Amino acid sequence: DQQVKQNSPSLSVQEGRISILNCDYTNSMFDYFLWYKKYPAEGPTFLISISSIKDKNEDGRFTVFLNKSAKHLSLHIVPSQPGDSAVYFCAASGGSGGSNYKLTFGKGTLLTVNP
Amino acid sequence: GAVVSQHPSRVICKSGTSVKIECRSLDFQATTMFWYRQFPKQSLMLMATSNEGSKATYEQGVEKDKFLINHASLTLSTLTVTSAHPEDSSFYICSSVGRVGYTFGSGTRLTVV
Repeated sequence: DQQVKQNSPSLSVQEGRISILNCDYTNSMFDYFLWYKKYPAEGPTFLISISSIKDKNEDGRFTVFLNKSAKHLSLHIVPSQPGDSAVYFCAASGGSGGSNYKLTFGKGTLLTVNP
Repeated sequence: GAVVSQHPSRVICKSGTSVKIECRSLDFQATTMFWYRQFPKQSLMLMATSNEGSKATYEQGVEKDKFLINHASLTLSTLTVTSAHPEDSSFYICSSVGRVGYTFGSGTRLTVV
């Protein structure tokens, strides 16, 4: 059962436009969400996170929105740059006891930003 | 910032042999290390959680006798894939969590031939 879902395996955007990557989750115990960027054969690089007590967090060109009632979050990148081309993973954590720090990942979305 | 150094980055081994993957925290103490595996076009799947000085906790479906995890010190955790088979070929990544959040290693591409 996929608790974190990224339904779009790929997204193609023109340079300078907005990229919107979506993520849905099913576990209502998740209370912390993260976005990672990953290049082939490398480990994930942290981008931005959001706690469930917020509905928006912004860092430069990256903004994450959280809609708890819909169990949905999205990552907005604006303006998109060719260097943003990578696989983006949505991840979530939460729950009780020692499992709090475990991350559950989505399958990722391959973003391609065309010059 | 916190850095986790993972080695080797790439390894090819023969079926039936064992492979050890190391993750070292370079400038912080990693009391907890997570080990993930990623198959092509799939998400990172948590295999096990290791805490320094205690036995690792394995996720359902992960064979603890096949994937041996040792976390004997606060700066080193190892994953040994024993009697590797071609289906173990995957990308293995470690991650620790601390005051600066989650830090990932650079990953190990294992190919079993």
